Amino acid sequence: EVHLVEFGGVVVQPGGFLRLSCAASGFTFGDYSMYWVRQIPGKGLEWVCVINRDGRITYYVDSVKGRFTISRDNTKNSLFLQMNSLRTEDTAMYYCARGSSGSVTSPEYWGQGTLVTVSS
Amino acid sequence: QTVVTQETSLSVSPGGTVTLTCGLRSGSVSTSHYPSWYQLTPGQAPRTLIYSTNTRSSGVPDRFSGSILGNKAALTITGAQADDESDYYCVLYMGSGIRVFGGGTRLTVL
Repeated sequence: EVHLVEFGGVVVQPGGFLRLSCAASGFTFGDYSMYWVRQIPGKGLEWVCVINRDGRITYYVDSVKGRFTISRDNTKNSLFLQMNSLRTEDTAMYYCARGSSGSVTSPEYWGQGTLVTVSS
Repeated sequence: QTVVTQETSLSVSPGGTVTLTCGLRSGSVSTSHYPSWYQLTPGQAPRTLIYSTNTRSSGVPDRFSGSILGNKAALTITGAQADDESDYYCVLYMGSGIRVFGGGTRLTVL
């Protein structure tokens, strides 16, 4: 069974930084692209970023480019999101998701999320 | 400005059929956008229903189906049940690695 658990969500001040982690199990981690998706409280879903299977290719939504970095460690079945220069508008529940199968993937399996609050 | 458009709200009677759509503010949705659909219930992680236009995710009943209808992606729910009352989101692949979620549809079963 696919299992994803996110860690690291806390309250942080604007301009601060944070590193989220996601521990994966139940599948061959290195065989799938991985995503971070966020949900602002009371609002909809926003795709944040994606990383390919070997970690060499990444893509980001414009609002986080240059501030967030997605990475992975396939030897430890782990996904990361380094978040710098945090803004109040980054406050959200952050979900780690495994990509679907196929040449172009979408988030398919989801963790329970970790809450990031950016506030002074 | 919402690039990916969804109905704000829809309603369906128990046992009925409803179709939710996912469009583009400019242009048509095709299978090349690899549309996917998600159910979002407060306090729970998103649940994937459909990916790559019409592939059901593991464990999703066949009363949920995906397709392209005209110039939009569509999610059809047949035999609606009370626990289908939820928010539904689509996501489209826009090319160059970019994905964009729609604003979501609130489905009421009444």
